[in-house]
Amino acid sequence: SQQGEEDPQALSIQEGENATMNCSYKTSINNLQWYRQNSGRGLVHLILIRSNEREKHSGRLRVTLDTSKKSSSLLITASRAADTASYFCATDEWGIGSQGNLIFGKGTKLSVKP
Amino acid sequence: NAGVTQTPKFQVLKTGQSMTLQCAQDMNHEYMSWYRQDPGMGLRLIHYSVGAGITDQGEVPNGYNVSRSTTEDFPLRLLSAAPSQTSVYFCASSTGDEQYFGPGTRLTVT
Repeated sequence: SQQGEEDPQALSIQEGENATMNCSYKTSINNLQWYRQNSGRGLVHLILIRSNEREKHSGRLRVTLDTSKKSSSLLITASRAADTASYFCATDEWGIGSQGNLIFGKGTKLSVKP
Repeated sequence: NAGVTQTPKFQVLKTGQSMTLQCAQDMNHEYMSWYRQDPGMGLRLIHYSVGAGITDQGEVPNGYNVSRSTTEDFPLRLLSAAPSQTSVYFCASSTGDEQYFGPGTRLTVT
């Protein structure tokens, strides 16, 4: 069953603007990850945040995690046309941990207009 | 390193036919998995393996078989293809948390 649910389903912004995507999940987790998928391609790992972390940065990406609300957000700052892609959050099921069983959300489709 | 490779890239099958989707990785990862991606559904786990000789079912295993005779290879077999199996299939491998995905196989069953 789907664990993460991204919001919004689609987002259209201008180049240079910030893009924020949200993810909600249902059960306890060890970590939450964000992946990017360009059209017709496989998924690429962006960033992982562990359950005991609240915020993490990687380049223009900022991820927050609120375990009390079972939610996470991905912020892409100063977006570029090349950021156009679908973004997925993925969580591991509690108790399986680093076995690698991830449950993916349905994704947010981001379109960045030049 | 080639990473995770999948063959074929595209395949059309008739209902009832069987076939094997190939997946190989050269990163010596113990964990490998198969997902299917359908429009509006995200990725759903079909089968996974935590090492050679060990496989287990994911969320949507019906109609699929897997085996893991080597660390490198993790083929997915469709036993008797059905139109409901039309999808894009992704193989992934991992040492722990981060997963590395192959480019996918787009399968159409008519």
